[in-house]
Amino acid sequence: EDQVTQSPEALRLQEGESSSLNCSYTVSGLRGLFWYRQDPGKGPEFLFTLYSAGEEKEKERLKATLTKKESFLHITAPKPEDSATYLCAVHPYNNNDMRFGAGTRLTVKP
Amino acid sequence: EAGVAQSPRYKIIEKRQSVAFWCNPISGHATLYWYQQILGQGPKLLIQFQNNGVVDDSQLPKDRFSAERLKGVDSTLKIQPAKLEDSAVYLCASSQFEGLGDTEAFFGQGTRLTVV
Repeated sequence: EDQVTQSPEALRLQEGESSSLNCSYTVSGLRGLFWYRQDPGKGPEFLFTLYSAGEEKEKERLKATLTKKESFLHITAPKPEDSATYLCAVHPYNNNDMRFGAGTRLTVKP
Repeated sequence: EAGVAQSPRYKIIEKRQSVAFWCNPISGHATLYWYQQILGQGPKLLIQFQNNGVVDDSQLPKDRFSAERLKGVDSTLKIQPAKLEDSAVYLCASSQFEGLGDTEAFFGQGTRLTVV
């Protein structure tokens, strides 16, 4: 069965303290892996799509990487405005269901 | 570019009542999704439309949930009768091509449903 596990569940950082969020997945053929950001009371906002192992994408202080079993979202020198829940999702080849993880709730203190 | 519009933003109903949610996707987006997000969990796909046809409704509780997308544009999701466990945020999303693996999906702000 396709599964997505994100860790940690919650992460508190000081402003400027870099860290990484993990997304481990089990899927029968990966069509794409997605990272979304979700602020309280809002819908998820698209960040990145990764398609194959070894692929990396960057956007401002965020960099997403992908291996055959997991993806990392690296946050470099975070700011308080980076505080949000970060969701990982996988889209298998064999169905239309994009399976989301439970998310990592990130808090960045000034 | 206008985003995905959803209404209402909030709804409180008693169990066994019915409720409907509305979604207007981004103009030109062929694919529309309804997700259910329970507090503390990631979104779960309920139904996916390609234009006005259903692509996937395998996780839609069909005894109480229904959805339609007339004319391949806006969509409504209905719950009748509601149960306490239906309390969640209902998110609508749209994408330009079939399958989120091809292009990113854009989400609306969601409708927060509370069943009491």
